[in-house]
Amino acid sequence: GQQLNQSPQSMFIQEGEDVSMNCTSSSIFNTWLWYKQDPGEGPVLLIALYKAGELTSNGRLTAQFGITRKDSFLNISASIPSDVGIYFCAVIGGSNYKLTFGKGTLLTVNP
Amino acid sequence: DAGVTQSPTHLIKTRGQQVTLRCSPKSGHDTVSWYQQALGQGPQFIFQYYEEEERQRGNFPDRFSGHQFPNYSSELNVNALLLGDSALYLCASSIGQGNSPLHFGNGTRLTVT
Repeated sequence: GQQLNQSPQSMFIQEGEDVSMNCTSSSIFNTWLWYKQDPGEGPVLLIALYKAGELTSNGRLTAQFGITRKDSFLNISASIPSDVGIYFCAVIGGSNYKLTFGKGTLLTVNP
Repeated sequence: DAGVTQSPTHLIKTRGQQVTLRCSPKSGHDTVSWYQQALGQGPQFIFQYYEEEERQRGNFPDRFSGHQFPNYSSELNVNALLLGDSALYLCASSIGQGNSPLHFGNGTRLTVT
């Protein structure tokens, strides 16, 4: 089945540092999404990307949809303690609306 | 404006039992999807309901079934529970059958002993 390779699995950084994580696939997808999940809560949509090559920002977050449509990255600038959580990439596959998620990147920010 | 609400928040069942989880979609949403999230994994798609019918289904056995009511709320039923069914079950709602973003609830944590 469809599989997303998300890396790194976990990151431990100091407050104020920038963070980058990425997601790759062997298949082409037309929509890439980035979600954040806090403990005890459901995933929350951060950024949605609909066009190859698109670069989209949401505050300190920036995400890009790879030109090959097989990858995406998420950057967080000037990290703060509340950025702690698990970040998931996800894709919408073809005519099916269901999302396929990566395994997540656990981000820890040291104050 | 209430978001997606799920009940119960936690549940403990024994192997072989049956369980029903409930979901109320975000106001204005008519499509409900269910996901299973095992510990340390991303959510996995179970199925999607729209207009009271199952529209899409992931790779889950028939022990997993669902229902959508006229008010768009939904239930997920799991029969003959296995230890491996222990997970966080997430409900997500959206609008129609296009690419409108999913809004997730906070999930039901099911533990099977």
